Amino acid sequence: KAGVTQTPRYLIKTRGQQVTLSCSPISGHRSVSWYQQTPGQGLQFLFEYFSETQRNKGNFPGRFSGRQFSNSRSEMNVSTLELGDSALYLCASSISGNGNEQFFGPGTRLTVL
Amino acid sequence: GQSLEQPSEVTAVEGAIVQINCTYQTSGFYGLSWYQQHDGGAPTFLSYNGLDGLEETGRFSSFLSRSDSYGYLLLQELQMKDSASYFCAVRDPGGAGSYQLTFGKGTKLSVIP
Repeated sequence: KAGVTQTPRYLIKTRGQQVTLSCSPISGHRSVSWYQQTPGQGLQFLFEYFSETQRNKGNFPGRFSGRQFSNSRSEMNVSTLELGDSALYLCASSISGNGNEQFFGPGTRLTVL
Repeated sequence: GQSLEQPSEVTAVEGAIVQINCTYQTSGFYGLSWYQQHDGGAPTFLSYNGLDGLEETGRFSSFLSRSDSYGYLLLQELQMKDSASYFCAVRDPGGAGSYQLTFGKGTKLSVIP
């Protein structure tokens, strides 16, 4: 079975721009979660989608948004980029979102200049 | 909210045993997980403890004491490839039966010859 894939793997943007990141979960997994990883804050939960509905949201500003499609693929969008948004963005999938294990993708490394 | 504490760095010798501790403060407890992340890689699931006691998976074991809000990851017969960051994480209930993960800041393990 193919693992979680994320595109693009690397991205460079400038302040004020917006960006869209994509995540394809493992086949059959309906829950997709997004995390931001930075050296200072570690791994922080952004939001979780299941069956095209956002079920859970972390403590991030409204500039961070996401969606999920009927095939469980998910996108996250960050608008009006700030320097502090530079991070590794990881998505993780699981069958239902209430299990013990999440499967992470390789991440998208976003650099904001 | 949830908070987890773990040492930032640990160094151990190849072939030895190392223990990585994790203490947590949570408003509710739904299990402690451990993830491994190599530099530039995705976090991968190692183990989960929902109840007190020891869980063993090959060279890795994880322990939980809910009364002490404490857990640890034990790595035996250390190999150079075990050099990585190790994260403890607690499950946080979200909406509609979902769970998100709240991570500790991670422990960077360096295995030396």
